[in-house]
Amino acid sequence: EDKVVQSPLSLVVHEGDTVTLNCSYEVTNFRSLLWYKQEKKAPTFLFMLTSSGIEKKSGRLSSILDKKELFSILNITATQTGDSAVYLCAVEGGTSYGKLTFGQGTILTVHP
Amino acid sequence: NAGVTQTPKFQVLKTGQSMTLQCAQDMNHNSMYWYRQDPGMGLRLIYYSASEGTTDKGEVPNGYNVSRLNKREFSLRLESAAPSQTSVYFCASSQGRGQPQHFGDGTRLSIL
Repeated sequence: EDKVVQSPLSLVVHEGDTVTLNCSYEVTNFRSLLWYKQEKKAPTFLFMLTSSGIEKKSGRLSSILDKKELFSILNITATQTGDSAVYLCAVEGGTSYGKLTFGQGTILTVHP
Repeated sequence: NAGVTQTPKFQVLKTGQSMTLQCAQDMNHNSMYWYRQDPGMGLRLIYYSASEGTTDKGEVPNGYNVSRLNKREFSLRLESAAPSQTSVYFCASSQGRGQPQHFGDGTRLSIL
């Protein structure tokens, strides 16, 4: 059974802190790993990673994939209150076309 | 910039009633998906449509049916609603396998 595990499940920090969110996976026929940010409504796409060791970066957010050890991390530097959200990790693979297996999510709360 | 539009946003049903959730995308995407999101369970795939004219079961299809009406629209039907189907339902679309999925704002469904 395909499995994606995120840690920690929740995290409380203060503005300006740096955070690291973890995602490990066991998925057959791995194709890609995706990170999403979910505030009140729709998960919004952040990154898609397919190759090991290549960092994807967008502003204060960055992510990297290790396909040998089957994990990814999402880093957020200089956190702001607007970063408060649930961060979802998903892996595309398995037998169903385009199927994403999601982790439980990490709830990040950033205090002023 | 509509993206993926879901209707309705909220609905309350009684056990045994039927209901169709609507989803439309304006990104000319080939593939569309229906997920449900439950606390502590992450998002789980119900059904997907790899391309217009095809539909397939995902991880949790029991109690649901789908219709890919055309390239833009993908509906999810609950024929006889059960309390276990109380959830938030998300529709997503993508250009295809290996491409990021983009989500609608969700439908919050409660079944009494």
